[in-house]
Amino acid sequence: DTEVTQTPKHLVMGMTNKKSLKCEQHMGHRAMYWYKQKAKKPPELMFVYSYEKLSINESVPSRFSPECPNSSLLNLHLHALQPEDSALYLCASSRSSQGPGLTDTQYFGPGTRLTVL
Amino acid sequence: DQQVKQNSPSLSVQEGRISILNCDYTNSMFDYFLWYKKYPAEGPTFLISISSIKDKNEDGRFTVFLNKSAKHLSLHIVPSQPGDSAVYFCAASGQGAQKLVFGQGTRLTINP
Repeated sequence: DTEVTQTPKHLVMGMTNKKSLKCEQHMGHRAMYWYKQKAKKPPELMFVYSYEKLSINESVPSRFSPECPNSSLLNLHLHALQPEDSALYLCASSRSSQGPGLTDTQYFGPGTRLTVL
Repeated sequence: DQQVKQNSPSLSVQEGRISILNCDYTNSMFDYFLWYKKYPAEGPTFLISISSIKDKNEDGRFTVFLNKSAKHLSLHIVPSQPGDSAVYFCAASGQGAQKLVFGQGTRLTINP
């Protein structure tokens, strides 16, 4: 089973709203990721959590706040977003095999389509 | 600087024929390469991967070839089926790093 689930599937929010995206996996993976994908572009990495600790932040604006409550869950808290933040937000997970010569396949969820008005 | 490039934005292939998708990379530190398939409004689905210690990996109808000296990899799909119509992304990572670098994607259309 390589399933990553994400909720909600669609989200519409105003620029003053606070909302959260949720991601869950039960594969025992210890690394979880948030990506942002705009139309006709490849996914862009936002954050990486490894063993529940934030290991990579790709200079993402503070209006995006990630949280990893436990090894199976990953949240992305949204506040004061801009219309240009409208995109497909993808969560992924992997075993977190690190080090030269080791391979680590990332498995993606279906995404949350976010629209900021 | 685009470290992973898919120079063909689109490819059209007849059903039953071979589809060949290409990907070039510039970073010699990359040692793990993956192909993902993506339908509209869905997350990428992992297809097949290859480590730099190999030059070929096969899984059913899908075969990935890696030419390290040319910094080039390709995905072969044979025979192509209508359900293969999607956008295909090539991705790479290096030295066990968790960051995947994606190409721009190639839209594959399989014609009946």
